[in-house]
Amino acid sequence: DAGVIQSPRHEVTEMGQEVTLRCKPISGHDYLFWYRQTMMRGLELLIYFNNNVPIDDSGMPEDRFSAKMPNASFSTLKIQPSEPRDSAVYFCASTRAGETQYFGPGTRLLVL
Amino acid sequence: TQLLEQSPQFLSIQEGENLTVYCNSSSVFSSLQWYRQEPGEGPVLLVTVVTGGEVKKLKRLTFQFGDARKDSSLHITAAQPGDTGLYLCAGGNGTASKLTFGTGTRLQVTL
Repeated sequence: DAGVIQSPRHEVTEMGQEVTLRCKPISGHDYLFWYRQTMMRGLELLIYFNNNVPIDDSGMPEDRFSAKMPNASFSTLKIQPSEPRDSAVYFCASTRAGETQYFGPGTRLLVL
Repeated sequence: TQLLEQSPQFLSIQEGENLTVYCNSSSVFSSLQWYRQEPGEGPVLLVTVVTGGEVKKLKRLTFQFGDARKDSSLHITAAQPGDTGLYLCAGGNGTASKLTFGTGTRLQVTL
């Protein structure tokens, strides 16, 4: 299995631009999670889906952030407009209920 | 909000030394996981403990879940440079698979 796939691996953009991060979970996994990791705040859960339905988005920082999961094999996290404080590493993870969460390699985002 | 505090935040030791990392919370968790994260990669699960007082051993690593299921520790015996990384504890509740991650302990093991 290829594991969780994220793209792009690195993204540099200017403040105000739209950023879209992509994730392909492991086949057969019915949970998908988006996390953000910074030195200051550690690893924070932003939102998670079960069977493509958003279950808990209480970690989404503000309305500039949105996430979708149109099907079982694809999810996006969008930031519009982006700000410098959004700079972080964004991870996607997937799992089956009660089993191990598998993390992708992350997308390192820098907003100038 | 459930919080998991890890200590120490940073640890730099020499090869062969022993160390313990602590993970503490005021909340009860149904399970506690430990992850290791290497630079440029996502966290990788090391172990899951689910019973209060449970002790699990993974080669040179020993994991313990507190009796009250609010805290956990990770002990490494005879640390090696390959143990270098960020260690994260994570608490889980129920079957929703949602995890709350700790603040992290960054370990460096030098020759």
